[in-house]
Amino acid sequence: EAQVTQNPRYLITVTGKKLTVTCSQNMNHEYMSWYRQDPGLGLRQIYYSMNVEVTDKGDVPEGYKVSRKEKRNFPLILESPSPNQTSLYFCASSHDRSSYEQYFGPGTRLTVT
Amino acid sequence: GENVEQHPSTLSVQEGDSAVIKCTYSDSASNYFPWYKQELGKGPQLIIDIRSNVGEKKDQRIAVTLNKTAKHFSLHITETQPEDSAVYFCAAPDNYGQNFVFGPGTRLSVLP
Repeated sequence: EAQVTQNPRYLITVTGKKLTVTCSQNMNHEYMSWYRQDPGLGLRQIYYSMNVEVTDKGDVPEGYKVSRKEKRNFPLILESPSPNQTSLYFCASSHDRSSYEQYFGPGTRLTVT
Repeated sequence: GENVEQHPSTLSVQEGDSAVIKCTYSDSASNYFPWYKQELGKGPQLIIDIRSNVGEKKDQRIAVTLNKTAKHFSLHITETQPEDSAVYFCAAPDNYGQNFVFGPGTRLSVLP
């Protein structure tokens, strides 16, 4: 089954404790991205990657890091989480930049206390 | 950069009635406009899209219309059913066409 998977689905952590949210797709997609979803603000892009070893900042990259060492994986790293990073996070992928349809993962709900 | 506004933020309709959600965008060069549906506990899923060379596109009970002059596009759902209850997002390409800017979302409730 073609899908985007994220882990964990739920995470509660404390301020300053490094964490990683994994994202993996099995569709051989080149383009992957991370969004955060907050009430009233919709989906805002954090980082995106056009291919292996190619990443770039989205609209709200502060406090986040990403890497793209393999085509299928695109982990999101919070080196020192803060309470304002409490949010619902989605990973998405598409065939390439010009293939506009994005496939979203199920989401990761993160709470930072 | 691109700015996308979406209205209304919440919408309640009776089962069988029609629902309309409207989005406006700012960049006149934008050429592709998708609509995503997000059910509770799931990620958004593309339900319909339209390119700037057409004014309307239909897929069964859903349709999207585009007015390039006024820079707005709308999602139309006819004969609404309870399973249409969800949050709907519109989106438009950013200035460089590399990414998308999403609207804030509309929570649609279809009342039985």
